Amino acid sequence: GAVVSQHPSRVICKSGTSVKIECRSLDFQATTMFWYRQFPKQSLMLMATSNEGSKATYEQGVEKDKFLINHASLTLSTLTVTSAHPEDSSFYICSASGTSGGELFFGEGSRLTVL
Amino acid sequence: QKEVEQNSGPLSVPEGAIASLNCTYSDRVSQSFFWYRQYSGKSPELIMSIYSNGDKEDGRFTAQLNKASQYVSLLIRDSQPSDSATYLCAVNPLGGYNKLIFGAGTRLAVHP
Repeated sequence: GAVVSQHPSRVICKSGTSVKIECRSLDFQATTMFWYRQFPKQSLMLMATSNEGSKATYEQGVEKDKFLINHASLTLSTLTVTSAHPEDSSFYICSASGTSGGELFFGEGSRLTVL
Repeated sequence: QKEVEQNSGPLSVPEGAIASLNCTYSDRVSQSFFWYRQYSGKSPELIMSIYSNGDKEDGRFTAQLNKASQYVSLLIRDSQPSDSATYLCAVNPLGGYNKLIFGAGTRLAVHP
């Protein structure tokens, strides 16, 4: 199956700093990428949808100025958590949809801990 | 009402038994349905996708879809301890390549 790589897998940062998470599609062109957040024992909550070359579409309640998404190429999308706070600590997962089929391929996830 | 509902479990079954996981969804125009398995601390992996009413079988897994009842299920035959995980039901309300709405997941525990 298609491969989506996410980096870093774990990151610990101090409150107030910014953290960037990368999501790459390794063997297909991802026209659309999705960013999810998952708190412990809860389901995946969609944060935003990013399309290559255009602005991301954010879900209701997600602050676009805090969670900056850039999808500059067909193989790379980045999520930057700006001025991170402890409540931003979560498991962030990206997924990508190619140009054919409805299947989503997930990255390995990035666990963010904000001290 | 939540868009995608699942019983959180845990669902406990003995090894070799059939595990039955259920999911209901609220959006009648949903076209695509998926079951994902998620091990603790890992990202979801796709188990099955189903688009038409009826059954779809793949190895030990069978997905069942009933659009009239807005119900989708996953049967796991000959359950193994390695099947112990959280199973997430996901619905694509618009069909095609769009975003997925996930249920809260059902935790399955298969005991030897």
